[in-house]
Amino acid sequence: DGGITQSPKYLFRKEGQNVTLSCEQNLNHDAMYWYRQDPGQGLRLIYYSQIVNDFQKGDIAEGYSVSREKKESFPLTVTSAQKNPTAFYLCASTKTGELFFGEGSRLTVL
Amino acid sequence: AQSVAQPEDQVNVAEGNPLTVKCTYSVSGNPYLFWYVQYPNRGLQFLLKYITGDNLVKGSYGFEAEFNKSQTSFHLKKPSALVSDSALYFCAVREANAGNNRKLIWGLGTSLAVNP
Repeated sequence: DGGITQSPKYLFRKEGQNVTLSCEQNLNHDAMYWYRQDPGQGLRLIYYSQIVNDFQKGDIAEGYSVSREKKESFPLTVTSAQKNPTAFYLCASTKTGELFFGEGSRLTVL
Repeated sequence: AQSVAQPEDQVNVAEGNPLTVKCTYSVSGNPYLFWYVQYPNRGLQFLLKYITGDNLVKGSYGFEAEFNKSQTSFHLKKPSALVSDSALYFCAVREANAGNNRKLIWGLGTSLAVNP
């Protein structure tokens, strides 16, 4: 079945370590997005990509990086420069407007 | 500035009763409006959208929403609530003529609790 797969679902890291979250879609969608969700703060946009080899910063891009080398894949790296990385991360894609979301990745920094 | 407001952090309703989750918005042009639902520790699921046409939009799981341009509202409704409807609901908007800027503006979410 078509959909978006995020991995890992749970991830623990030590302070100072970079970590990469995977997002893969087989929906043939052009646009992909990364959101961060914190309790009581809704969804905040980190990065988005409208087409392969192109991406734009969202509202809270500092401390994060992305790549879009393939249409199907949009990995997010949480770098050591991100001051408060513990959060629930959501990847989404779209072709016609409504977003399709993955199941999320919960990152905890110890 | 574009914005979305969900004025209620939490809504409680008895099973079998009608439910309403409120959403108001502000955009400079015509809006595209969306509702999503999120169950605990899961991703968001699309429920319904308003693009144009009939102001009453029907979506998944028996939900519907009414677009009211004069009140800039897009309230989510269901005639008879189920315990399984208990979840977090998000309203989102973007401007219709946003072109390549397809960023959605999100509300902060409303937690719906349906009591048996």
